[in-house]
Amino acid sequence: GAGVSQSPRYKVTKRGQDVALRCDPISGHVSLYWYRQALGQGPEFLTYFNYEAQQDKSGLPNDRFSAERPEGSISTLTIQRTQQEDSAVYLCASSLRGANYGYTFGSGTRLTVV
Amino acid sequence: AQRVTQPEKLLSVFKGAPVELKCNYSYSGSPELFWYVQYSRQRLQLLLRHISRESIKGFTADLNKGETSFHLKKPFAQEEDSAMYYCALSPLTDKLIFGTGTRLQVFP
Repeated sequence: GAGVSQSPRYKVTKRGQDVALRCDPISGHVSLYWYRQALGQGPEFLTYFNYEAQQDKSGLPNDRFSAERPEGSISTLTIQRTQQEDSAVYLCASSLRGANYGYTFGSGTRLTVV
Repeated sequence: AQRVTQPEKLLSVFKGAPVELKCNYSYSGSPELFWYVQYSRQRLQLLLRHISRESIKGFTADLNKGETSFHLKKPFAQEEDSAMYYCALSPLTDKLIFGTGTRLQVFP
């Protein structure tokens, strides 16, 4: 596609429910990144992939968070048993060859846990 | 620890005035540094990269290793420059560490 597409744009869920956030990167982009942005903060790294391989998941806050990119294109970030502190904007970005070449960000998914 | 500090949450100037958005970093190696910008109701986007030594939309940023700074400058601000600006650091790993951002308001 022309840009990085994220869905849904907005998600309201009840505490304890699981949510799945989707990211469709720019076609041909090798690297895909997930960030989380809390209100008034900068984006915070969660995890990233090169092709289908998860290269670094050191930013995932706990084991309720997981991500996959099974075919090296679309990625899903899953949060199990959501908590109120998970409320944030979840950003996906892709890059042709890595962070030093610059990211292209999606519009983000605003997650609200009530 | 690797860290990016943007000391100003808000910077307000009048059109035509010079602008300097401050960014300081903490990193022991040779960093790659970036400025990203988010205009109202738009996506976060790359403004410029230290590695390219470029000038985009009249903005420049110089890496000062002695002061560990990468301040963003523009000699004459325009109203359309109003946006949220984030400084970011890329350590050896393939991820970015962002600052908390500075909102630039340019008044007519």
